[in-house]
Amino acid sequence: AQTVTQSQPEMSVQEAETVTLSCTYDTSESDYYLFWYKQPPSRQMILVIRQEAYKQQNATENRFSVNFQKAAKSFSLKISDSQLGDAAMYFCAYRTFNAGGTSYGKLTFGQGTILTVHP
Amino acid sequence: DSGVTQTPKHLITATGQRVTLRCSPRSGDLSVYWYQQSLDQGLQFLIQYYNGEERAKGNILERFSAQQFPDLHSELNLSSLELGDSALYFCASSVRGVDTDTQYFGPGTRLTVL
Repeated sequence: AQTVTQSQPEMSVQEAETVTLSCTYDTSESDYYLFWYKQPPSRQMILVIRQEAYKQQNATENRFSVNFQKAAKSFSLKISDSQLGDAAMYFCAYRTFNAGGTSYGKLTFGQGTILTVHP
Repeated sequence: DSGVTQTPKHLITATGQRVTLRCSPRSGDLSVYWYQQSLDQGLQFLIQYYNGEERAKGNILERFSAQQFPDLHSELNLSSLELGDSALYFCASSVRGVDTDTQYFGPGTRLTVL
């Protein structure tokens, strides 16, 4: 079974600075997907960024980028020019590529990292 | 707004009762997923339906059941409720449930069991 670990329960950053959230995962599969979701105080789950494991290029979405290290099974999220609206719980998630598996479609989440942004 | 709707937003009930949570996926999405978010268990996958059929199952309790109707909306039924069932229940949807699809989440239903 796949597991996802976020070792930082809480992080803080000054507005306009850069912060990196860590995520490691364990899997025996070679193809899979990784995601970062944001959960603000409203509790809505919002997709931030996704990465296909077969792509070597790191995904980027505006101020959000990832550092995907497949061999190390590491998937960190970098937030540049942090804004007050970035304050939220961030979840790293894994999804299998194996369409025939019984866990197909399932997202496995880490425990989350609470990000505080200081003005 | 993800386009996924869930009702009700909040639900307060007593132990031993039964409740039904409803989810309407984004227009055109065939797959519906249910997740439970609690303080002690975190975010956990419960079950997936694709075009009316069960597709994948997580650690869903036998007291819980779900279905997806011909109009693609889904219901999660929770029975014989216990205090530990108090949680935020999310529904998510994706277009076809195939490899490239991303799951979009609804706002959730907060269930409180007293």
